[in-house]
Amino acid sequence: EPEVTQTPSHQVTQMGQEVILRCVPISNHLYFYWYRQILGQKVEFLVSFYNNEISEKSEIFDDQFSVERPDGSNFTLKIRSTKLEDSAMYFCASSERGGGYTFGSGTRLTVV
Amino acid sequence: DQQVKQNSPSLSVQEGRISILNCDYTNSMFDYFLWYKKYPAEGPTFLISISSIKDKNEDGRFTVFLNKSAKHLSLHIVPSQPGDSAVYFCAASKNSGTYKYIFGTGTRLKVLA
Repeated sequence: EPEVTQTPSHQVTQMGQEVILRCVPISNHLYFYWYRQILGQKVEFLVSFYNNEISEKSEIFDDQFSVERPDGSNFTLKIRSTKLEDSAMYFCASSERGGGYTFGSGTRLTVV
Repeated sequence: DQQVKQNSPSLSVQEGRISILNCDYTNSMFDYFLWYKKYPAEGPTFLISISSIKDKNEDGRFTVFLNKSAKHLSLHIVPSQPGDSAVYFCAASKNSGTYKYIFGTGTRLKVLA
């Protein structure tokens, strides 16, 4: 069964550093997403990406965040100048068009 | 802004019995609803969905019921199995545009053997 692959599974970074979270969506999917889940809280939408551009972003997704699809397969989330409150599980997801997404298994980001 | 609410943070059910997980929403523009299951250290896994043109959708042991007038949906699992123990998230979307989901806070289901 096709999978969404995320790397790394766990990333520890110093406050103020930049991190890049990587995702390989399912190859024939057209919509790509990043969500995050702070420990003990709900899964929150960050950004959606379609046709090589951001189609929607949440209030959380400010100038500190950016996404890129640098080639035909990868979809990355860059977080600049990380803060302690950025510590969370970050989930990438993809879908063909609506319906149920396929989520990756997540990257646990710990900012120390 | 809690547009999707799951008011029961946890639920315990005996193996073989029915599990009923509930979800309420406030935005009448939502027209597509999904349930996801999540195990620790894994991403959410899609379980079942329902469009607003239906009031019931069934897939094996899982049935989702939608009551649009009450803005309420529920997931029934019959019979419950110990492997069903997980956190269940309800999510809602407008079935157009970016297909962004709004998730509920989740209900932790524990099925007791």
